[in-house]
Amino acid sequence: NAGVTQTPKFQVLKTGQSMTLQCAQDMNHEYMSWYRQDPGMGLRLIHYSVGAGITDQGEVPNGYNVSRSTTEDFPLRLLSAAPSQTSVYFCASSSTGVNTEAFFGQGTRLTVV
Amino acid sequence: AQSVTQLGSHVSVSEGALVLLRCNYSSSVPPYLFWYVQYPNQGLQLLLKYTTGATLVKGINGFEAEFKKSETSFHLTKPSAHMSDAAEYFCAVSFSGGYNKLIFGAGTRLAVHP
Repeated sequence: NAGVTQTPKFQVLKTGQSMTLQCAQDMNHEYMSWYRQDPGMGLRLIHYSVGAGITDQGEVPNGYNVSRSTTEDFPLRLLSAAPSQTSVYFCASSSTGVNTEAFFGQGTRLTVV
Repeated sequence: AQSVTQLGSHVSVSEGALVLLRCNYSSSVPPYLFWYVQYPNQGLQLLLKYTTGATLVKGINGFEAEFKKSETSFHLTKPSAHMSDAAEYFCAVSFSGGYNKLIFGAGTRLAVHP
């Protein structure tokens, strides 16, 4: 059982480049989300999805796009990378309900130079 | 607005000593409370959660936490620290109608020394 799989694990981008962070889960979870982790700030919600075709913004959505065409996949797109987007990105999934466990991927460490 | 405060970004204890990691939340509605642990270069995994019912919650690896509504706290404890407990710990909350959108504290890094 793979759980939540994120690719790539590491990425270096130049300012202005675009890229897509991939996230896939095999637990048939309806709810998926993207967080960024920065030192001293914990994890902050970027975007989330409550099912295929439904997405919404979190706390820090600017500069990021998402789509959810299938239950399994929830890619995060950086449109034009900026140094402020240097961070560790985590994808999470959970079944519906506010008290359910969130399962996290291993993270993607992104550096924008 | 809801928020989570973890007191102490770094905590250091001796092996065998009590572990106490503090978490307070701010909310006008009853929260669901979680503690997650992150080992180096890994994702987060659930330690324990409080939803309703008994206010003392037991989790994995000997950790437990007590929900105190009057103090708006959910402190994490472990009677005897082990070297393998060294990690970063995050307190998080979610709310009814919030689609499991977690609000995280800043995290506490626990160091355990011999």
